[in-house]
Amino acid sequence: QSALTQPASVSGSPGQSITISCTGTSSDVGGYNYVSWYQQYPGKAPKLMIYDVSNRPSGVSNRFSGSKSGNTASLTISGLQAEDEADYYCSSYTSSNTRVFGGGTKLTVL
Amino acid sequence: DVQLVESGGGLVKPGGSLRLSCAASGFSFSTSSMTWVRQAPGKGLEWISSISKTGDSIYYADSVKGRFTISRDNAKNSLFLEMNSLRADDTAVYYCATVKPGSYSDYWGQGTLVTVSS
Repeated sequence: QSALTQPASVSGSPGQSITISCTGTSSDVGGYNYVSWYQQYPGKAPKLMIYDVSNRPSGVSNRFSGSKSGNTASLTISGLQAEDEADYYCSSYTSSNTRVFGGGTKLTVL
Repeated sequence: DVQLVESGGGLVKPGGSLRLSCAASGFSFSTSSMTWVRQAPGKGLEWISSISKTGDSIYYADSVKGRFTISRDNAKNSLFLEMNSLRADDTAVYYCATVKPGSYSDYWGQGTLVTVSS
């Protein structure tokens, strides 16, 4: 049950686009279209942003999008805004019927 | 509105036990799989256990297997986590959350802090 690999930090200026990667194995990310992404502000509970690789829950801005290629999933945020500054976590279903999270990525809006 | 409210956290000595509860409302608890996720101070999210809607399928992370027990009471719309043989590295905020097919969580509680220290 090794954690998925995410960059520790990414940054971008307002209006720009950024992409956060999430790398796993064929037993998790690569084996299923069950990758989800969460946004978390300090001291707050995580919030679902993307599920099943590329689906957005109702109420989540269409500036957030998800994709997957092989064992790597990605979260892209376009038109970066100050309010997007937060921690982002990916998660995947695994072949063991369990779940695994990424180590998290801190997004800084410059 | 969907609400998940965790309780039962606190300070416990190494080797001790604690039982966390999660009270659910605003959705059909008895038809929802549920999960516990924890977050150590300054660290990332860690999945620790999930339970199916009827309780007949249960899964644990290796880090808690044999020490933690997840359970539910659908009549009381409640989820539980019995934690035994607690260690310092179990110190974390514990969140309960729903689980949808595909293993994503669309609703989360606010979390309850468990501190294991002598």
